[in-house]
Amino acid sequence: AQKITQTQPGMFVQEKEAVTLDCTYDTSDQSYGLFWYKQPSSGEMIFLIYQGSYDEQNATEGRYSLNFQKARKSANLVISASQLGDSAMYFCAMRGLYNFNKFYFGSGTKLNVKP
Amino acid sequence: NAGVTQTPKFQVLKTGQSMTLQCAQDMNHEYMSWYRQDPGMGLRLIHYSVGAGITDQGEVPNGYNVSRSTTEDFPLRLLSAAPSQTSVYFCASSYDRGVTDTQYFGPGTRLTVL
Repeated sequence: AQKITQTQPGMFVQEKEAVTLDCTYDTSDQSYGLFWYKQPSSGEMIFLIYQGSYDEQNATEGRYSLNFQKARKSANLVISASQLGDSAMYFCAMRGLYNFNKFYFGSGTKLNVKP
Repeated sequence: NAGVTQTPKFQVLKTGQSMTLQCAQDMNHEYMSWYRQDPGMGLRLIHYSVGAGITDQGEVPNGYNVSRSTTEDFPLRLLSAAPSQTSVYFCASSYDRGVTDTQYFGPGTRLTVL
């Protein structure tokens, strides 16, 4: 079975500071992909970053980086230099090789960036 | 490229009514899927398709039907709407079934069943 856990329902961060959003996962697949999405108040789902299970380097995309610790089964999203526009829901998701037709999502973390 | 489009954006139904949520993509993606999003529960997979003519069930398929007659379109049918189906519905697509393939989402349909 595949499962994604996001234990932080809500978080606050001061503008310009860095913030880490936690994500742990459970899978029996040896090959899998981990994804983060942002959902602003307008409702759309925006893809942010991807990490493959065999990637040796942590993924980075601009101010987003993924702190991937395979042994701990964690894939935390790090947002550097937070901006007011980063206030949104953030979802962690996973897709496994042997169950690749299904994406599994966590319950999300609501991030509020304070000016 | 319009990406993934969904219609309507909002819909109100009465219990027992049926309707079809439309989804289309112009990226020639093989894989398409439907999710529902309920408060505090993230997204849950309803049905998915790995190509024209091929569909399968996700986590929460009851009360919904799908078909895929073309690569571009993947409509979701509510057979007899119930208040428990009040939710936001997202359609998504990706290139194929590899683990590296990102899903791209439509803007969502907000459905209320009275």
